[in-house]
Order: sequence, then structure tokens, then C-alpha cells
Amino acid sequence: AQKVTQAQTEISVVEKEDVTLDCVYETRDTTYYLFWYKQPPSGELVFLIRRNSFDEQNEISGRYSWNFQKSTSSFNFTITASQVVDSAVYFCALSERGSTLGRLYFGRGTQLTVWP
Amino acid sequence: SAVISQKPSRDICQRGTSLTIQCQVDSQVTMMFWYRQQPGQSLTLIATANQGSEATYESGFVIDKFPISRPNLTFSTLTVSNMSPEDSSIYLCSVSDGIHTDTQYFGPGTRLTVL
Repeated sequence: AQKVTQAQTEISVVEKEDVTLDCVYETRDTTYYLFWYKQPPSGELVFLIRRNSFDEQNEISGRYSWNFQKSTSSFNFTITASQVVDSAVYFCALSERGSTLGRLYFGRGTQLTVWP
Repeated sequence: SAVISQKPSRDICQRGTSLTIQCQVDSQVTMMFWYRQQPGQSLTLIATANQGSEATYESGFVIDKFPISRPNLTFSTLTVSNMSPEDSSIYLCSVSDGIHTDTQYFGPGTRLTVL
């Protein structure tokens, strides 16, 4: 079974629109970590955020915000006032304390295209 | 975060040959990881490489096909052996920052095409 599900394969928006990328995870561990990474067309994976399972505070960083809800096992990512440079594949990932240290489970990714 | 480089950045290889990919980090790190990303797909962990010990391979990956070296705390290599077109992928190395050991930072990747 998929540990991380990103149901949205592709999303297209027009510049300045807000967009939310969904991530649902599955784990039996009580201690775990959730991540978002961005992969622009150049291919490198850029770390965006790490959140541990005991910290449900939402986080905002500029135009980016993250909504972590343990009750629904979701860790959604919102981009406000999207820009063309936001176009990329975005991956949500999970690390479980009970498994091999550092083992990351990735979702399938969401391709975001922002049109001018 | 650590600065990670990979060589080569891309290559086109013939079936049946082998390619060694290098991963260099600008600081000492405990854990290094190798991932494969097939076209249009997500990332799959190949193996975890710790200095001074044998690499730990994930299910579906074997040492004969993907031998890994980790001679020191700043360097690792992954060899893709006896390549076939199915090996065409992006190969990425990543490192743990040693402080928040579950945060991994990735290299720029190596785009491999096998003809």
C-alpha cells in the first residue's frame, strides 16, 4: 500500500491564483516526519519543509504555507499568488522513526504548471 | 545545508556497459542515499551507504547490479552495471544533515539514457 498519496497528478493554474497540493499519508508509527520537495525542470530536488508528528502548527513561509492535520493524516501545501517560477513537480514524503533511519517514502508527485 | 555535486550530470550509454556515478559533499555526513527516478515516476530508494560498512539495499535492488562504495564521509559512488534501456533514469544521491537526521538534501542528479 502507498504510504504517501498525492492524488493530484497534474494541476494547471494561471499566475496569481492560489493553489493547494494535497498529501495524505499512512503510518502506524507515533513518531514520524513529513516533507515537501520541489523538482523544477532542471531535475534537482529542493527541500522545502520538514514537519515532525508532534508539531501540528501550520507554517507559513512567504507565499508558501503548510497545513498538517493528524486527524485526517494530511499535510497539504498551498502556494498563494502563484508565479510561473513555481512550475515544477512537487513531492510529499514520509520518514518513519521505526523504520531504517532516513528511509523516505515519496508520493508520486504533483506536476504544477503556472501559466502567465 | 550541505552542497552536493554529482558527476556526470548526464550520459548516454550503450547496452551492456557500466557507468559509475560520483557523489561529492562539501562536509562530512553520516548517511548517504542513492535513489532512482524513472521517467515520469517518483523516487525509489536503491540503497543506504554508510562509511565503513556495506551498503544496505532495498528490495528489488542487488549489489551485483548496483555496487556502491563509500570510502569516506564526503564521497560515494554508485555503479550501474550491465545496463539495459530499462536503467534509463535520473539517479540522485542524498545526504542527511547530521542534525535533523531525517532531513535529506539531494544532489542535482545524473540523467542516464541507455540505448
